[in-house]
Amino acid sequence: GAVVSQHPSWVICKSGTSVKIECRSLDFQATTMFWYRQFPKQSLMLMATSNEGSKATYEQGVEKDKFLINHASLTLSTLTVTSAHPEDSSFYICSARGVSGRWSADTQYFGPGTRLTVL
Amino acid sequence: KQEVTQIPAALSVPEGENLVLNCSFTDSAIYNLQWFRQDPGKGLTSLLLIQSSQREQTSGRLNASLDKSSGRSTLYIAASQPGDSATYLCAVDTSYDKVIFGPGTSLSVIP
Repeated sequence: GAVVSQHPSWVICKSGTSVKIECRSLDFQATTMFWYRQFPKQSLMLMATSNEGSKATYEQGVEKDKFLINHASLTLSTLTVTSAHPEDSSFYICSARGVSGRWSADTQYFGPGTRLTVL
Repeated sequence: KQEVTQIPAALSVPEGENLVLNCSFTDSAIYNLQWFRQDPGKGLTSLLLIQSSQREQTSGRLNASLDKSSGRSTLYIAASQPGDSATYLCAVDTSYDKVIFGPGTSLSVIP
């Protein structure tokens, strides 16, 4: 199936620093990418939707100045957690919806996730 | 607004038992439904994807069914093994470009 990668797979940072997480679609072009967040023992919650070349759409309650999303190309979206604090520690997962072609345009393919720990 | 629920929240079974996990959703206008597995501290592993036009999908010991009209999907695991212990999530890909996840079922298979 279609492959979505995330980098890094885990990161530990000090409070106040910024962290960038990359999400790449490896064998297909993704017009739309999604970012999810998962707190311990909870399910995944959609944070934002990003379309290539345009501003991301954030879900209610998600601070857009805190979580900067850039979708500069059809294969790459980045999530930057700015001035991270311990409460931002979480598991972040991206997904990509492909353009029509080999992979279904109606399916989201999920990355393996990035675990962020803020000290 | 689409809401996804999963029953039971947790399940413990002896090895070898067949089991069924349930997923319910409130809006039948969906593109597809996926079942995922998540091990503690790990990411998602896609198990089965059922398109809206399909009724079921099978992979090895796993069988997932979809009944859009009733807003239900089941994941059947045959001859459970300790290695099946994980959290199982169902996710509904909605008609308004969002995937909504259920809260998950935590499965423990006892040797």
